Amino acid sequence: AQSVAQPEDQVNVAEGNPLTVKCTYSVSGNPYLFWYVQYPNRGLQFLLKYITGDNLVKGSYGFEAEFNKSQTSFHLKKPSALVSDSALYFCAVRVSTGGGNKLTFGTGTQLKVEL
Amino acid sequence: EPEVTQTPSHQVTQMGQEVILRCVPISNHLYFYWYRQILGQKVEFLVSFYNNEISEKSEIFDDQFSVERPDGSNFTLKIRSTKLEDSAMYFCASSNAAEGGPNSPLHFGNGTRLTVT
Repeated sequence: AQSVAQPEDQVNVAEGNPLTVKCTYSVSGNPYLFWYVQYPNRGLQFLLKYITGDNLVKGSYGFEAEFNKSQTSFHLKKPSALVSDSALYFCAVRVSTGGGNKLTFGTGTQLKVEL
Repeated sequence: EPEVTQTPSHQVTQMGQEVILRCVPISNHLYFYWYRQILGQKVEFLVSFYNNEISEKSEIFDDQFSVERPDGSNFTLKIRSTKLEDSAMYFCASSNAAEGGPNSPLHFGNGTRLTVT
């Protein structure tokens, strides 16, 4: 079965420092991977996706993610964290058998960026 | 920017009662979804809907659940007889194949918090 794992419940970073939020995947066939962010009392917002092509994917708000096939990872990164990046981050994999985009989400990682 | 809107933002109901959660997807989107999140935990897929029928559904989506698109704009989730364990945040989402085919990003609403007492 297709799944993703987020090994860290929480990541703490100082503002201005680089951040990494980890995600590993387990899929049969080609992986279609996504990152979403959730701010308090809001729905999830799409950040970026990997479908094919370049292993480094750039997304919204200065975030990027690196697809690594040999390590089955898709870690989310940002060169310089902002306090406003503090939120809950979800990695997801597409598991649809139909035409829609049914996603299985990871358990989420709470990112806290402090001054 | 167009948004997915959900009403109500918070619904309290008694166990055994029926509830209907309402969503207005983005107008040119063709795929619609319901997900739920229990107490800030993992986000779980419930059902996807396309061309006026269910496209996929999860094991959670049993006979107590149903979805409907009663007109050209609304998309509803009905829980026939609520249980305590149905308490969760329910998110509606929609997607537009023009944004990437089957891998189009999901656009989520802000959710309805359902509390079953």
